[in-house]
Amino acid sequence: DSGVTQTPKHLITATGQRVTLRCSPRSGDLSVYWYQQSLDQGLQFLIQYYNGEERAKGNILERFSAQQFPDLHSELNLSSLELGDSALYFCASSVGSRLLGYGYTFGSGTRLTVV
Amino acid sequence: EDKVVQSPLSLVVHEGDTVTLNCSYEVTNFRSLLWYKQEKKAPTFLFMLTSSGIEKKSGRLSSILDKKELFSILNITATQTGDSAVYLCAVEAVTDKLIFGTGTRLQVFP
Repeated sequence: DSGVTQTPKHLITATGQRVTLRCSPRSGDLSVYWYQQSLDQGLQFLIQYYNGEERAKGNILERFSAQQFPDLHSELNLSSLELGDSALYFCASSVGSRLLGYGYTFGSGTRLTVV
Repeated sequence: EDKVVQSPLSLVVHEGDTVTLNCSYEVTNFRSLLWYKQEKKAPTFLFMLTSSGIEKKSGRLSSILDKKELFSILNITATQTGDSAVYLCAVEAVTDKLIFGTGTRLQVFP
């Protein structure tokens, strides 16, 4: 167990629907990162939060949004889902706003299937 | 645009073989290069490299970075079936955002 908790583990939903993915970072970590991993692509950075504030944004679609709450857990909201949104969504956390010698700690991911 | 390219895409070997995985990168404001192993789900951290020419070693795995030629290699000696996984290379640039390559899938057969 890495200490980063993601729920749910699997999600199957229909096109056009909206889902929320949840992430609890490792105890003491202030930064949360969201990544998308599709079959034909590597891990794609979506967004980072540090201590409740958005810190960096990657290739995140306008249909997607995220936030980090005062207790530091984070939620990734995906709306108007399309078949192409089917992927593994990973959350990762780190202590501060800079990586230390061990990089991120990843959660076990949420597998989203859009049918 | 920042990018990380890994080769080969896939590798099939027998137990006991030695393998070399490659990672080249083009990023602005390079800070560090990381290697991860991904078996079923979450990538697990292997190495973080920041300086050229200094080999990092952990058991049968080792890695080195060349900041002049912009690449890194990951070596695995005396491979075992448990080494079968996708190996991911990532570069930290600008902020602490990691840019990942698409990975090298290693399959080790007995």
